[in-house]
Amino acid sequence: QSVLTQPPSVSAAPGQKVTISCSGSSSNIGNNYVSWYQQLPGTAPKLLIYENNKRPSGIPDRFSGSKSGTSATLGITGLQTGDEADYYCGTWDSSLSAGPVFGGGTKLTVL
Amino acid sequence: QVQLVQSGAEVKKPGASVKVSCKASGYTFTSYYMHWVRQAPGQGLEWMGIINPSGGSTSYAQKFQGRVTMTRDTSTSTVYMELSSLRSEDTAVYYCAREQIKTTVTTNCRWFDPWGQGTLVTVSS
Repeated sequence: QSVLTQPPSVSAAPGQKVTISCSGSSSNIGNNYVSWYQQLPGTAPKLLIYENNKRPSGIPDRFSGSKSGTSATLGITGLQTGDEADYYCGTWDSSLSAGPVFGGGTKLTVL
Repeated sequence: QVQLVQSGAEVKKPGASVKVSCKASGYTFTSYYMHWVRQAPGQGLEWMGIINPSGGSTSYAQKFQGRVTMTRDTSTSTVYMELSSLRSEDTAVYYCAREQIKTTVTTNCRWFDPWGQGTLVTVSS
């Protein structure tokens, strides 16, 4: 059972927009920055968003991140079939079990 | 470019140990913490622990305390993760991931980039 809560799956048509939510608590998202990772089938996770809403170089502006309170959201616009992947949110937890924590992942299907 | 290259797949019997390596290149090895994260088949990401390549200090997730050992070799820019007393539930892909950190006014901002390509460890009798 993951510390952060994500929907198991989302889907949308090519060209459409989708959002993926990530819910936590005051000991993690509420007091730390959030990052997002894309995992294409059979590959390692890849950084998509860091510091809640910043994109590394090479990541298109179709991908965006936001955070409010103890929740974060990943947005993807102009969906492409190549965006089909698992998406994970991550942050640090300041509780007794301090360390990085992740969401359970969300499978994005582009119909 | 910054790259993390891991060792190949392993098949182990229950009760055995496995040691996975992660060779870093393209940056100053001792300047960035390294983490290990695992992913069981069809499951999410699970943090295992962290090593400071500079001094070798480590911190492990409580779940793996007593079974995991992380070490490094600065001469080859390689970190290692050894997991002992393997059981079938340890079957997973093991990733090394470099920590990036940015100091802000309120708190440190930390994230993982890049990740190694992953090493599949299969535990089976």
